Amino acid sequence: DTGVSQNPRHKITKRGQNVTFRCDPISEHNRLYWYRQTLGQGPEFLTYFQNEAQLEKSRLLSDRFSAERPEGSISTLTIQRTEQRDSAMYRCASSLVASGDYTDTQYFGPGTRLTVL
Amino acid sequence: KNQVEQSPQSLIILEGKNCTLQCNYTVSPFSNLRWYKQDTGRGPVSLTIMTFSENTKSNGRYTATLDADTKQSSLHITASQLSDSASYICVVPVRTDKLIFGTGTRLQVFP
Repeated sequence: DTGVSQNPRHKITKRGQNVTFRCDPISEHNRLYWYRQTLGQGPEFLTYFQNEAQLEKSRLLSDRFSAERPEGSISTLTIQRTEQRDSAMYRCASSLVASGDYTDTQYFGPGTRLTVL
Repeated sequence: KNQVEQSPQSLIILEGKNCTLQCNYTVSPFSNLRWYKQDTGRGPVSLTIMTFSENTKSNGRYTATLDADTKQSSLHITASQLSDSASYICVVPVRTDKLIFGTGTRLQVFP
């Protein structure tokens, strides 16, 4: 278990630019989640994948946001035409959930801190 | 083993009635417990976050209670509305990079 990794760890960009973040989940985890977290708050769900299928998207995820997990492992989150309000920590989590499980243990990556100037 | 168990799995009530959802956890060390509301086809939205020292916390018609001794939490919904129909998920972090999610209680409010 090497844990969930994310890169870059920090990203500073100018308003209007596009940014892409990468998440490497724990090997063989079938679920991958993207969250946004602001200072002092818990993670706010953005979207999640079951293998390569994107199953849910939050209302927080505007049309400028897109996420992919084409091969069911690594995922990317892209924000187009960034705005200052997009500044936050973007965290990825992965889990292994089997049919009949009643607990979903999600392992979080360290996050990518985005600052939009 | 760290676990979060919710009951009931599903609940049907009439509009205007109150209801209480339960969450039992065996997570150590304990720092906080969160309740999320998840509308069908949408992701979970945070309702409350309760720390070890808090016994009760309200968010409008939602009131969460926490008993850290018995490791139980409840979410009470007052004067239910049709828009309360959703899944309610209890979440307990083990550490900052590991959160335990219960599978939720599916609430249906009928007129």
